[in-house]
Amino acid sequence: EAGVTQSPTHLIKTRGQQATLRCSPISGHTSVYWYQQALGLGLQFLLWYDEGEERNRGNFPPRFSGRQFPNYSSELNVNALELEDSALYLCASSLGGTGSSEQYFGPGTRLTVT
Amino acid sequence: AQSVTQLGSHVSVSEGALVLLRCNYSSSVPPYLFWYVQYPNQGLQLLLKYTSAATLVKGINGFEAEFKKSETSFHLTKPSAHMSDAAEYFCASGGSNYKLTFGKGTLLTVNP
Repeated sequence: EAGVTQSPTHLIKTRGQQATLRCSPISGHTSVYWYQQALGLGLQFLLWYDEGEERNRGNFPPRFSGRQFPNYSSELNVNALELEDSALYLCASSLGGTGSSEQYFGPGTRLTVT
Repeated sequence: AQSVTQLGSHVSVSEGALVLLRCNYSSSVPPYLFWYVQYPNQGLQLLLKYTSAATLVKGINGFEAEFKKSETSFHLTKPSAHMSDAAEYFCASGGSNYKLTFGKGTLLTVNP
């Protein structure tokens, strides 16, 4: 069974640009989560999508946004990039349903903002 | 609000020694608890989870964790460390809001 996939692996952008990160969940999973892993800040929850809707959002500014497509894949968009947005962005998927559902993570996209 | 505290940002053990990674949770209700491992330049891999079915949870790669409500702890152990266990380990709690709240991680070093 294929795991969670993310693209691209690495992304280099300059300050002020926009970045788009993509995630494909495990087949059958309807929930997709995005997390940011920045140096010194640890793993922080960004967004949760389920059945095409945004269900929960972490403490991030509105320039972090995303969507979930009918096939349950997801896209994270970061507008007006700032240097501190440089981080590993991890996508996870789960069967959804309850808070006990295991989340399975992809390998991440390393975003570097210069 | 849920929070997770991992005691010790860095733990070093000898190959074959006991591994003990500490995690304490703070929650008004028993949470769902997870341990994940992250190898360099990779995503997170689920080791095990606690969902109140049993206090001693066995996971992959010989790891296990015991939920102790009286101590609000969920420590991760492995009887005998292998070199391949060297990685960063994260304790996390989940709940009705579906997001995972992670501890700051513990880097495990295994010495030959």
